[in-house]
Amino acid sequence: GIQVEQSPPDLILQEGANSTLRCNFSDSVNNLQWFHQNPWGQLINLFYIPSGTKQNGRLSATTVATERYSLLYISSSQTTDSGVYFCAVLNYGGATNKLIFGTGTLLAVQP
Amino acid sequence: NAGVTQTPKFRVLKTGQSMTLLCAQDMNHEYMYWYRQDPGMGLRLIHYSVGEGTTAKGEVPDGYNVSRLKKQNFLLGLESAAPSQTSVYFCASSYLRGSLFFGPGTRLTVL
Repeated sequence: GIQVEQSPPDLILQEGANSTLRCNFSDSVNNLQWFHQNPWGQLINLFYIPSGTKQNGRLSATTVATERYSLLYISSSQTTDSGVYFCAVLNYGGATNKLIFGTGTLLAVQP
Repeated sequence: NAGVTQTPKFRVLKTGQSMTLLCAQDMNHEYMYWYRQDPGMGLRLIHYSVGEGTTAKGEVPDGYNVSRLKKQNFLLGLESAAPSQTSVYFCASSYLRGSLFFGPGTRLTVL
């Protein structure tokens, strides 16, 4: 099945700094999503981005499907950005019609 | 819209007891999922459903049963709880080609 790797596994930032999180996947996909799990455990969908670039406030994401990676950019980070960021991928034509999650990047933003 | 809701939020069971977790969504999504999240294991798919009256096994289905009698509801049952089923359980829903939305989670402890 598709393998999903996220980097870095951990990241500590000072408030106001920018960061880039990466998601690599081992096969072609036609569904890629980014999620944020806050320190209280809530999972929020950030982007549905199988290809191209999207922006939502201080967050933006780019997926280069032909090169099998996606990037999540966080600008001017705030303490509320802390938590775990997951990417998940799916190939509708593949053997399994289920999202495969990466192991996440744990982000801590310090004031 | 309430989105995806889960009942209960917390539960403590003794080994061998049974319980049902209820998930409801008001977005008219065809697909519904049950995941469990354990430290160091990430999100693992237990069962899923592609429509009313259908269910399918995910990665870790043993010890669980599910039913989807109505499109908006997806029930997860534990017939005889075991300590290994101590976890946080998340329900999620989506269209076939769309964003995945998670419920707030149920924290289950089996003593």
